Amino acid sequence: SQTIHQWPATLVQPVGSPLSLECTVEGTSNPNLYWYRQAAGRGLQLLFYSVGIGQISSEVPQNLSASRPQDRQFILSSKKLLLSDSGFYLCAWSEQYNSPLHFGNGTRLTVT
Amino acid sequence: AQSVTQLDSQVPVFEEAPVELRCNYSSSVSVYLFWYVQYPNQGLQLLLKYLSGSTLVKGINGFEAEFNKSQTSFHLRKPSVHISDTAEYFCAVSDSGGSNYKLTFGKGTLLTVNP
Repeated sequence: SQTIHQWPATLVQPVGSPLSLECTVEGTSNPNLYWYRQAAGRGLQLLFYSVGIGQISSEVPQNLSASRPQDRQFILSSKKLLLSDSGFYLCAWSEQYNSPLHFGNGTRLTVT
Repeated sequence: AQSVTQLDSQVPVFEEAPVELRCNYSSSVSVYLFWYVQYPNQGLQLLLKYLSGSTLVKGINGFEAEFNKSQTSFHLRKPSVHISDTAEYFCAVSDSGGSNYKLTFGKGTLLTVNP
């Protein structure tokens, strides 16, 4: 069966520090991969998605970037965090066509 | 482009009472529809999905939803809720014709089940 791992679960970082959140998927190949951010009362905001290695699409211009160095690995990064980057970050995967998203357990990021 | 409106941000109910969480969508093309549930500090879990066929869809934990194309709605229902159903529920829509699969989520409805 397929599983998705996301870490760390919680993270407290100072303003201006770098960020790296990692997500890996097991039990499937060539998945679509996604990064979402969730802010209270605002639902889920799609940040990035990827349909293959090295292919990244950005949905919202911001202080963050994403990379997919391997088929089942998706990384969310920032060179310098802002206070507004605080939130709950969710990684997800889906099969290529018309299938639901499967989410990781999320990372609670607090920028201080 | 699609959009999703969840009409209630919070729904308090008593245990064993029925509940309906409302969802309306807007799209110029055929859609797929989903309901997800999120427990505190966890990721989202798929409750049910409508892709095609019967408009009444049954999901996990006793939930069901009905797709109404004329009213562009996909309301979630449960005849008798439990304390453990307390969570946030998200409705989502995708373009059924798209090969690049993306979901648009509503802002969520917090269901609180009281004893």
